[in-house]
Amino acid sequence: EDQVTQSPEALRLQEGESSSLNCSYTVSGLRGLFWYRQDPGKGPEFLFTLYSAGEEKEKERLKATLTKKESFLHITAPKPEDSATYLCAVQINQAGTALIFGKGTTLSVSS
Amino acid sequence: GAVVSQHPSRVICKSGTSVKIECRSLDFQATTMFWYRQFPKQSLMLMATSNEGSKATYEQGVEKDKFLINHASLTLSTLTVTSAHPEDSSFYICSAPGQGARGYTFGSGTRLTVV
Repeated sequence: EDQVTQSPEALRLQEGESSSLNCSYTVSGLRGLFWYRQDPGKGPEFLFTLYSAGEEKEKERLKATLTKKESFLHITAPKPEDSATYLCAVQINQAGTALIFGKGTTLSVSS
Repeated sequence: GAVVSQHPSRVICKSGTSVKIECRSLDFQATTMFWYRQFPKQSLMLMATSNEGSKATYEQGVEKDKFLINHASLTLSTLTVTSAHPEDSSFYICSAPGQGARGYTFGSGTRLTVV
């Protein structure tokens, strides 16, 4: 069965304290791995798509990496406005199929 | 960029009534729309996939007679929760695939509360 597991479930950081969020996956035929940010009561906001092991993408304080079994979302010197739930999702088999989501990591950054 | 407009953002209804949620693609044609449900601290779970001009496909365990999906045009997909019960209270999100490098466009979600 295709599965996406995110850890930790919740993470509390002080402003400026860097850390990483993990997304491990067991799927057949990974086509792409997506990272989203979700604020309370809102839909997911796109962050990154990764397609092959070794790929890395960066945006401001965020950096996403991908291996054959997992992905990491590195947060460097976070600020309170980075507080949100970060969702990992995988697309399998073919383009246009529904994403399979993990449960997310809720990040709280205090000043 | 591609936008999916979802309405209403919040709705409270009485037990036994029906509620309709709309998702409109504003600047592109969405031949497919995915409908997800999200319970607190849980992941987005796919409920069904709607395709313009054909019947929706439902995931295992989702009652198709309770969650009616219509995709009558290339820009509008609707989800109707019929005879709603408190356990249907959840966050419902729609998503259209295939929009540029981002891959998917999501609606802003609908918080349904059944009292």
